[in-house]
Amino acid sequence: DQQVKQNSPSLSVQEGRISILNCDYTNSMFDYFLWYKKYPAEGPTFLISISSIKDKNEDGRFTVFLNKSAKHLSLHIVPSQPGDSAVYFCAASGRNNNDMRFGAGTRLTVKP
Amino acid sequence: GAGVSQTPSNKVTEKGKYVELRCDPISGHTALYWYRQSLGQGPEFLIYFQGTGAADDSGLPNDRFFAVRPEGSVSTLKIQRTERGDSAVYLCASSPNPGLNSPLHFGNGTRLTVT
Repeated sequence: DQQVKQNSPSLSVQEGRISILNCDYTNSMFDYFLWYKKYPAEGPTFLISISSIKDKNEDGRFTVFLNKSAKHLSLHIVPSQPGDSAVYFCAASGRNNNDMRFGAGTRLTVKP
Repeated sequence: GAGVSQTPSNKVTEKGKYVELRCDPISGHTALYWYRQSLGQGPEFLIYFQGTGAADDSGLPNDRFFAVRPEGSVSTLKIQRTERGDSAVYLCASSPNPGLNSPLHFGNGTRLTVT
């Protein structure tokens, strides 16, 4: 069963504009949510996270929003840069952090 | 500082053979995870170690898959009688704070191809 879903396999945006990546989850026991970024031939790299007690977390150009009632989170990147082009994975885990589950990923392409 | 190290980076084997994949976690990280990523998919959980013991092996697909972490550091994922469907990138990750919200730190993976 797919507990974390990323319904958009790809997204293309122009440099300087906002990129919005979306993620939905089904397990109400999840309380920690993360975004990872992955380049080809490398492992996923942690980008930003948010716990369920918050609805927004910001780190530079990256902001994650959490809507618990809708079981939805999103990653905003603004302004987008060509170096942001990568596959982005949404992930979620419960309190014990030993059950982290990942979405299928969204390939972001930022065009110069 | 050293990150999670996985060897080999690539492994090609024939159907029916036995393979071992190695993971060296970040020093001091007590939690270690194995994931498998197939083409076009996200990482799929296989097994989680807390110290030397497998705390959760519910993701292992069948009894051909086994993993050990005898000294609480390096881990080996073992696959017996490999099948073509086992072809994937096997990712290892470690975490310093089990039981607390903390991100996993991934290695670059081992790409396994079963011919």
